[in-house]
Amino acid sequence: DQQVKQNSPSLSVQEGRISILNCDYTNSMFDYFLWYKKYPAEGPTFLISISSIKDKNEDGRFTVFLNKSAKHLSLHIVPSQPGDSAVYFCAENTGNQFYFGTGTSLTVIP
Amino acid sequence: DTGVSQDPRHKITKRGQNVTFRCDPISEHNRLYWYRQTLGQGPEFLTYFQNEAQLEKSRLLSDRFSAERPKGSFSTLEIQRTEQGDSAMYLCASSSTMNTEAFFGQGTRLTVV
Repeated sequence: DQQVKQNSPSLSVQEGRISILNCDYTNSMFDYFLWYKKYPAEGPTFLISISSIKDKNEDGRFTVFLNKSAKHLSLHIVPSQPGDSAVYFCAENTGNQFYFGTGTSLTVIP
Repeated sequence: DTGVSQDPRHKITKRGQNVTFRCDPISEHNRLYWYRQTLGQGPEFLTYFQNEAQLEKSRLLSDRFSAERPKGSFSTLEIQRTEQGDSAMYLCASSSTMNTEAFFGQGTRLTVV
């Protein structure tokens, strides 16, 4: 059973608008959640993380929100740029491994 | 470049052959992970080392797969008697016990024909 789920396989957004990517998790035991960005034929690149003691973490255009009661996290990208077009994975750090979702392919339309 | 390095980037092999991949982690990182990714899926955990000790293995890691990290630095992943279902991107990542994030290499794309 998948520990981390991304239910939207794809998302298209106009340049300059907000991109919102969503992720649900099942196990509340672990402390850290992360977002990675992946271009074709490359390895995932770490983007931003959040500790379970926080509900928000911001880094430039990227903000991650954590709703522990709903077991849900989201990544907001504002403003979206064409270079943000990639596959985004959420991940949960269990201490021994990272569980990844299946990814959401973001397309930012110029 | 002090990032995670994987070699080779691409490997095409015939079914039944053995292949070996190498990963050089970030030098101060004591944790090393191997993942596999197929089309439309997220990275799937294969195995994890802390220093030279292999601490966890996924059930995905069949008897044909073996991983080593002999001196707690670089690691190798060997696949024996390759099958077409082994075709995937093999990803290596490293982290330190002080970090919450892992850093990935560029991956090795394996194609079994």
